[in-house]
Amino acid sequence: EAQVTQNPRYLITVTGKKLTVTCSQNMNHEYMSWYRQDPGLGLRQIYYSMNVEVTDKGDVPEGYKVSRKEKRNFPLILESPSPNQTSLYFCASSFTGYEQYFGPGTRLTVT
Amino acid sequence: AQSVTQPDIHITVSEGASLELRCNYSYGATPYLFWYVQSPGQGLQLLLKYFSGDTLVQGIKGFEAEFKRSQSSFNLRKPSVHWSDAAEYFCAVGLPGTYKYIFGTGTRLKVLA
Repeated sequence: EAQVTQNPRYLITVTGKKLTVTCSQNMNHEYMSWYRQDPGLGLRQIYYSMNVEVTDKGDVPEGYKVSRKEKRNFPLILESPSPNQTSLYFCASSFTGYEQYFGPGTRLTVT
Repeated sequence: AQSVTQPDIHITVSEGASLELRCNYSYGATPYLFWYVQSPGQGLQLLLKYFSGDTLVQGIKGFEAEFKRSQSSFNLRKPSVHWSDAAEYFCAVGLPGTYKYIFGTGTRLKVLA
């Protein structure tokens, strides 16, 4: 089954403790992206990647890192999480870079 | 700056009634246009897309959308709403050549039995 998977689905952590949210797709898509969803703000793009080793900033990249060492994986790294990064995070992939397939989401709480 | 506006935060319709959700964008050229649906606790699913050509596009679940260049709009419509359509709907634009993607703030649809 074609899908985008994210792990973990739920995470509660404390300020400053480094964490990684994994994202994997099995559709051989070159394009992958991360978004955060906050009430009243819709989804905002954090980072995106057009191919292996090629990444670029979206609208809200501060406090986040990404890497793309393999085509199928695109982890999101929070090196020092803060409470304002409490949010619902979505990973997406695409063949064209435009029609996107979304993962189920990761709900992160930073206390 | 590029932006997407969904002016209706909440919409309530009766089952069987018609539906129109509004979306306007601000961009110097014609972007690629999308509508996504998010059911409670779920990820987003693509309903329909517009890249070029025919300005009336058909999507899944009986939805359609019309691109109006003069109004910078891409409104979503459905002639008869079902209770299962209750969800949040997001309009999005992709900026050609940039891979940047901008979402609207969403419209939450409630369907009355």
